[in-house]
Amino acid sequence: GAVVSQHPSWVICKSGTSVKIECRSLDFQATTMFWYRQFPKQSLMLMATSNEGSKATYEQGVEKDKFLINHASLTLSTLTVTSAHPEDSSFYICSAPGTGRSEQYFGPGTRLTVT
Amino acid sequence: GIQVEQSPPDLILQEGANSTLRCNFSDSVNNLQWFHQNPWGQLINLFYIPSGTKQNGRLSATTVATERYSLLYISSSQTTDSGVYFCVTDSWGKLQFGAGTQVVVTP
Repeated sequence: GAVVSQHPSWVICKSGTSVKIECRSLDFQATTMFWYRQFPKQSLMLMATSNEGSKATYEQGVEKDKFLINHASLTLSTLTVTSAHPEDSSFYICSAPGTGRSEQYFGPGTRLTVT
Repeated sequence: GIQVEQSPPDLILQEGANSTLRCNFSDSVNNLQWFHQNPWGQLINLFYIPSGTKQNGRLSATTVATERYSLLYISSSQTTDSGVYFCVTDSWGKLQFGAGTQVVVTP
């Protein structure tokens, strides 16, 4: 089946630094990937749609300059949290639709803690 | 956008019990999926079910697209079934998550 990986699985960084999170489709190609964040005991909130070869589409209220998305290839999308602040601490998850279907496959998530 | 409502929000089950989780959606959708989020945060695909009925072991799901609802059945629940169950709709590439049902199965 389709597998999506994320790296790192958890990261701790200091305020003001930037953190890059990678999302890879391991056994299929994905022209589109999605990024979400999830707060404790809440549902996932779609942040942006990552498009290979073009700019990402951000959801309303998500700062484009803070959450930089780059879809570098058909198997890799990255999310960079720039100038991180403690309120950016969250669980970040990516997903990609499987080949030929719109069934979504999710990565295992990245837990970011900003101190 | 489409509203996705899940019920109940919380469910406590004794091991071996059966249960039904419901997902209502406010408009027509292209696809619907059920996921289980385990305690480590991983979302596990349970069913891709835009319509009809599917079964996988102790779990089954039914979507009645014309009436805009889907049901997830858990039979003979086990402690490993604990976690949050999400219903996710897809309408022309726009994903919408329900708030989830938190399930706790006690021994």
